[in-house]
Amino acid sequence: GNSVTQMEGPVTLSEEAFLTINCTYTATGYPSLFWYVQYPGEGLQLLLKATKADDKGSNKGFEATYRKETTSFHLEKGSVQVSDSAVYFCALSLIAGGTSYGKLTFGQGTILTVHP
Amino acid sequence: GAVVSQHPSRVICKSGTSVKIECRSLDFQATTMFWYRQFPKQSLMLMATSNEGSKATYEQGVEKDKFLINHASLTLSTLTVTSAHPEDSSFYICSAPGLALKTQYFGPGTRLLVL
Repeated sequence: GNSVTQMEGPVTLSEEAFLTINCTYTATGYPSLFWYVQYPGEGLQLLLKATKADDKGSNKGFEATYRKETTSFHLEKGSVQVSDSAVYFCALSLIAGGTSYGKLTFGQGTILTVHP
Repeated sequence: GAVVSQHPSRVICKSGTSVKIECRSLDFQATTMFWYRQFPKQSLMLMATSNEGSKATYEQGVEKDKFLINHASLTLSTLTVTSAHPEDSSFYICSAPGLALKTQYFGPGTRLLVL
């Protein structure tokens, strides 16, 4: 079956530190990969995505590269800010028709706290 | 941007009672909505796909008589946890696909605690 494994948190960093959150996956077929972020009291929001091998998704200074050879989609940011404090979810979806973007398989989430 | 709301945000109920959770798309129509469940420190698990005008599609292992889903309109789906028990305590999240199905919009979630 399909699964997503994220590094366990919580992750605590000082402002301007470098961030990496590891994500690996197993899937039958060729998945699309996503990072979602959940800020306190809000719903999950799409942060970035990549739909094929070697694609790099980027947004708000975050980036992740779809590595098929290592089945990974690690999230990185060069300099985190206090406002980046949130829960980050790695997820995959298998393209199989119009509603496939709803059938997401999630990792367990990683709590990030950034201190001033 | 598109917003999905859930109500209530948290609910506490006694064992054996039923609880209804609403999921609304506030400024767009959604013929399909999705219900997820999240246990502490675990990933979101898809429970079912809610379809406007037809029966919901449940994922393997999810009891459809336990978790009743009704997609009453193009902006509202409800999840009713019937005869709730403590093991049903969890965080329930809904989502709806946006235009062109390119992304998902998630509600803020509902925390259910069954005593």
